[in-house]
Amino acid sequence: GENVEQHPSTLSVQEGDSAVIKCTYSDSASNYFPWYKQELGKRPQLIIDIRSNVGEKKDQRIAVTLNKTAKHFSLHITETQPEDSAVYFCAASANSGNTPLVFGKGTRLSVIA
Amino acid sequence: DAGVIQSPRHEVTEMGQEVTLRCKPISGHNSLFWYRQTMMRGLELLIYFNNNVPIDDSGMPEDRFSAKMPNASFSTLKIQPSEPRDSAVYFCASSLTGMNTEAFFGQGTRLTVV
Repeated sequence: GENVEQHPSTLSVQEGDSAVIKCTYSDSASNYFPWYKQELGKRPQLIIDIRSNVGEKKDQRIAVTLNKTAKHFSLHITETQPEDSAVYFCAASANSGNTPLVFGKGTRLSVIA
Repeated sequence: DAGVIQSPRHEVTEMGQEVTLRCKPISGHNSLFWYRQTMMRGLELLIYFNNNVPIDDSGMPEDRFSAKMPNASFSTLKIQPSEPRDSAVYFCASSLTGMNTEAFFGQGTRLTVV
């Protein structure tokens, strides 16, 4: 089955700096890669996703890149703000019928004001 | 739609007791997932259903865990007997199968077994 590795497990940045979180996956059939943000005590919520027919996607201060050959994808947050502090999860799944999201173990991002 | 609804939000129980967690998926979603979240292991998939049928329960840790989905609008996760190491936040999520769409999470149930 799919295995998703996520790094780093914790990340601290100064407000205004950029943050990068990286993930690798094992199943070459995976073609959907969402990123979830989980604030303290709350549920994970989708912030951005990318499909395998696209190499990069951007939404305001966040962007995701995908390298299918190397089986890795990354989340980039620019101009970080204190409210970006949360745990971020990457995930992967294959659109082959009944495949669920497999999550990385998460990255705890702290943005220091 | 009110989103994925889980109950209870918090559960404290004594070791050995039976615990039942409940989930109502978003109307129209045909896939339902149960995840367990701990600091050490992150978000682990326990079991998922497609059109009310269990597809993969390989993530269920032991026979003490069981899950059912008697209809499209309701699912339960039961632990019997419960143990302290079962303490975690249990999330239910739902989505549309096969369309690579967002999985929506419920608020979670924080389970504490003492």
